[in-house]
Amino acid sequence: AQSVAQPEDQVNVAEGNPLTVKCTYSVSGNPYLFWYVQYPNRGLQFLLKYITGDNLVKGSYGFEAEFNKSQTSFHLKKPSALVSDSALYFCAVRQDGQNFVFGPGTRLSVLP
Amino acid sequence: DAGVTQSPTHLIKTRGQQVTLRCSPKSGHDTVSWYQQALGQGPQFIFQYYEEEERQRGNFPDRFSGHQFPNYSSELNVNALLLGDSALYLCASSLAIVTGELFFGEGSRLTVL
Repeated sequence: AQSVAQPEDQVNVAEGNPLTVKCTYSVSGNPYLFWYVQYPNRGLQFLLKYITGDNLVKGSYGFEAEFNKSQTSFHLKKPSALVSDSALYFCAVRQDGQNFVFGPGTRLSVLP
Repeated sequence: DAGVTQSPTHLIKTRGQQVTLRCSPKSGHDTVSWYQQALGQGPQFIFQYYEEEERQRGNFPDRFSGHQFPNYSSELNVNALLLGDSALYLCASSLAIVTGELFFGEGSRLTVL
């Protein structure tokens, strides 16, 4: 069975500082990994994905994530946080023929 | 290019009633998935429709049912509503032959009193 863990319910970072939102996953085969962001009372917006190829993937709004197969992780990063990055972030995994499985979410607060 | 659209955006029902939520997928997409997101939680997979058939189903009771129409739009029906059905219901569309991301609508907020 597929599963996703986001070990931190909340991440606080000062504006301008680098941010990291952690994600680990468990699948029986090759994973497809995704990050989404959700603003209050809105749907989920796609940020980036890892399907195959380079372990470092770049996405929208300056976000990037690194796929680490040995650690089964896919942490989301940004070099310089903005107040407008404050939102709820979800990591998701899927395998061929399977549905997406989402993590519980991490609330990011960027303090001015 | 219209994205995923859902209706209604908000609705209030009482226990025991039935509700129908509607979704139009992103242009060019043929697959629709429905998710339930309770307050403070991640989205939970309900089911997925492709070629007008339910292809996959999550751990939800039979009170949850759906339909996909020839134009790829979809409905989610919930019967005999319970207080615990209060949630944001998200529709997501995708293209079956592509291993890519889901595109989400803004959701339908259901409150059961």
